[in-house]
Amino acid sequence: KAGVTQTPRYLIKTRGQQVTLSCSPISGHRSVSWYQQTPGQGLQFLFEYFSETQRNKGNFPGRFSGRQFSNSRSEMNVSTLELGDSALYLCASSEQGTRGYTFGSGTRLTVV
Amino acid sequence: DQQVKQNSPSLSVQEGRISILNCDYTNSMFDYFLWYKKYPAEGPTFLISISSIKDKNEDGRFTVFLNKSAKHLSLHIVPSQPGDSAVYFCAASGNNAGNNRKLIWGLGTSLAVNP
Repeated sequence: KAGVTQTPRYLIKTRGQQVTLSCSPISGHRSVSWYQQTPGQGLQFLFEYFSETQRNKGNFPGRFSGRQFSNSRSEMNVSTLELGDSALYLCASSEQGTRGYTFGSGTRLTVV
Repeated sequence: DQQVKQNSPSLSVQEGRISILNCDYTNSMFDYFLWYKKYPAEGPTFLISISSIKDKNEDGRFTVFLNKSAKHLSLHIVPSQPGDSAVYFCAASGNNAGNNRKLIWGLGTSLAVNP
């Protein structure tokens, strides 16, 4: 089975721009979760999608949004980028979204 | 407020010795706990888990112990190998629908195993 694929791997954006990150889950996995990892905050949960519906949401501002398509692929969008949004964004998929998460390698976003 | 706490940001051990990574939690609704290992520039990979109905789970060199009364779990790696050098994350979840389903993560402990 192919693993969780995140694109792009690296991204540099300017403050005020918006960005879209993509995640292709493992075939058959219907749950996709997004996390932000920064050195001081560890892994912060952004949101989870299951069968195209947002099922859980973390404590991030509305500038962070996501969606899931019928093939379970998911996208995450961040609008009006701020310097503090620089982080590693990780996507994880699982069959039901409860226990066995498999992570992608992440997208390293740098906002300048 | 951190519901899952890994109070040691880093740990250094000699190759062949035991590594003990600790994790404390505050939410008594958590009933499933996981350990993930993360190398730089890679996503976390699942290592081992334990359900609250058990107090120990073993997989090769890795053993997780759960003390529910103390809301504490620990990961033991014996013997430690240089390839175990990574950041270890503890995560917890509840068993009910809704927001309890999401994983709550600790901040991680960076383990260095010295040859």
